[in-house]
Amino acid sequence: DSGVTQTPKHLITATGQRVTLRCSPRSGDLSVYWYQQSLDQGLQFLIQYYNGEERAKGNILERFSAQQFPDLHSELNLSSLELGDSALYFCASSVAAGVAGTDTQYFGPGTRLTVL
Amino acid sequence: QKEVEQDPGPLSVPEGAIVSLNCTYSNSAFQYFMWYRQYSRKGPELLMYTYSSGNKEDGRFTAQVDKSSKYISLFIRDSQPSDSATYLCASPKAAGNKLTFGGGTRVLVKP
Repeated sequence: DSGVTQTPKHLITATGQRVTLRCSPRSGDLSVYWYQQSLDQGLQFLIQYYNGEERAKGNILERFSAQQFPDLHSELNLSSLELGDSALYFCASSVAAGVAGTDTQYFGPGTRLTVL
Repeated sequence: QKEVEQDPGPLSVPEGAIVSLNCTYSNSAFQYFMWYRQYSRKGPELLMYTYSSGNKEDGRFTAQVDKSSKYISLFIRDSQPSDSATYLCASPKAAGNKLTFGGGTRVLVKP
């Protein structure tokens, strides 16, 4: 158990809908990262928050947004869902902002999103 | 071309054999390299990380980095059925900590 929790575990929804995925980082971790894992694209970085502020952005679609709250939990919002958004969404956390390579990321169990 | 490439496998070996996994990368700016293990329907977990070139050993696991050829290796000695998983290599971008992952290699260790 990494100490990172994600809810829900599974989510089934229809195209055009909006969903919210939630992540609670490990106790003491200030950074939260979101990744998407699909069969064709593999595991891809979406966005990072550090202590409530956006820190880094990856290939995140404009339909997707995230935020980190004062209690450090984070939410990833996915809107106008398309079939291609079906994937595993992982949250990871680390202690600090992430000086490259020195800040281990611990991954949660993921949320499996199915868009029908 | 993806920045980090891995053979997807599956790689099937008998119990007790040495598992040899490889990645190639294209971005010369990569300095740190990680190996993550991911069991089916679970999140990735960090196995090892190395900095620059050289070897690092941790129990049954050895990681090697050859920066001259942009080649990363992970060796698992005395493999066990519990080592059956997908192994992902990754590297963080120099500016920040966002990880770039390879596609993963699925390993099957048969009893």
